[in-house]
Amino acid sequence: DTGVSQNPRHKITKRGQNVTFRCDPISEHNRLYWYRQTLGQGPEFLTYFQNEAQLEKSRLLSDRFSAERPKGSFSTLEIQRTEQGDSAMYLCASSLAGTGRAPLHFGNGTRLTVT
Amino acid sequence: DQQVKQNSPSLSVQEGRISILNCDYTNSMFDYFLWYKKYPAEGPTFLISISSIKDKNEDGRFTVFLNKSAKHLSLHIVPSQPGDSAVYFCAASALSGGGADGLTFGKGTHLIIQP
Repeated sequence: DTGVSQNPRHKITKRGQNVTFRCDPISEHNRLYWYRQTLGQGPEFLTYFQNEAQLEKSRLLSDRFSAERPKGSFSTLEIQRTEQGDSAMYLCASSLAGTGRAPLHFGNGTRLTVT
Repeated sequence: DQQVKQNSPSLSVQEGRISILNCDYTNSMFDYFLWYKKYPAEGPTFLISISSIKDKNEDGRFTVFLNKSAKHLSLHIVPSQPGDSAVYFCAASALSGGGADGLTFGKGTHLIIQP
């Protein structure tokens, strides 16, 4: 399977703990996005990388959220000091930048439950 | 303020008939529009897109229509099949962001195809 891969699929954590999620994009894609989806809402854009450069991070929900893409391949999203309001589905997507517009291809997400 | 609106949370259509899903947007900078389909426990799957220089794009049973003056787009599925039952998200982006804006999603419409 050469689609976008996210791990873990599910994460249950206690309030105050740190969590880290991993995303492996489609191999030739140079753009990588993180989204959050809560119940009854559409995905909400969080941050975006082109290769290893994080070009947009102002939409990260708070300074407890951070993302990295150290070698321009896989990416991690970390949430520090989790709160119950962080419970959501975290989606990763990738696309190939080119002269035209390219759709984003999403992974199956990591569902976070904070107890 | 929601920039992409899907005003019908759900839609029920008989198998074999046409399904029409609607979407309105408010940001006049949006110039690329997409429809995604989402099954439970999976990430959104890209269906079809349209750029603002066109008013129609067709791919098999799926056709997207764009009315820029009304800031309205619609997805037509003909004929509807049981496997089309899913949540459909409308999404939009602005080229001016160079991709950094990500996609802005509506809240989704749950399409139910009745046998």
